Amino acid sequence: GQQLNQSPQSMFIQEGEDVSMNCTSSSIFNTWLWYKQDPGEGPVLLIALYKAGELTSNGRLTAQFGITRKDSFLNISASIPSDVGIYFCAGQGNSGGSNYKLTFGKGTLLTVNP
Amino acid sequence: GAGVSQSPSNKVTEKGKDVELRCDPISGHTALYWYRQSLGQGLEFLIYFQGNSAPDKSGLPSDRFSAERTGGSVSTLTIQRTQQEDSAVYLCATATGYLTNEKLFFGSGTQLSVL
Repeated sequence: GQQLNQSPQSMFIQEGEDVSMNCTSSSIFNTWLWYKQDPGEGPVLLIALYKAGELTSNGRLTAQFGITRKDSFLNISASIPSDVGIYFCAGQGNSGGSNYKLTFGKGTLLTVNP
Repeated sequence: GAGVSQSPSNKVTEKGKDVELRCDPISGHTALYWYRQSLGQGLEFLIYFQGNSAPDKSGLPSDRFSAERTGGSVSTLTIQRTQQEDSAVYLCATATGYLTNEKLFFGSGTQLSVL
């Protein structure tokens, strides 16, 4: 099925550094979502974006819904060890799909060195 | 429990055997999804149930895969004649109703290994 292009695939950073990851798509989405998955667990929603150009923050996390509706980025500021995990972007409700389906990126594996 | 519960958490099987994976949704959640997560890949949609409506089975990769949801609650995903490429984490997710993907709650998944 369709997938989003998510980059980078992995990141290894020092505690305290800022990180940025992004997703692009050839299709327009009505909603962009960012999830985090800890080892052995299911993904948990971090941020949801509903409007093109929207910039939303959740603590040290900031995400933006691209103006073209085909991309989104997630920034994490002042990383801490518990930020370790896999981050997924997901798009919902494009012109060729069903509103109830999510299309996921392949994920960004984040490792934080204390 | 309060969350989505999946069982077993791990399943090792031999090629050619059938397996059954179970998902207990959050009480009252009418929407239920199955996703497959292969190593290094994103989540692949398999099937969607909503209340008493006919399920969307468009993501099932072959006719060896099937799923049921009894009484609008518990769901089982069955894989017949398992193949090695079926090895993956199978995730169940539930939501309160229509168009509420932003409030999807995932279970911890079943790690399936086909030898």
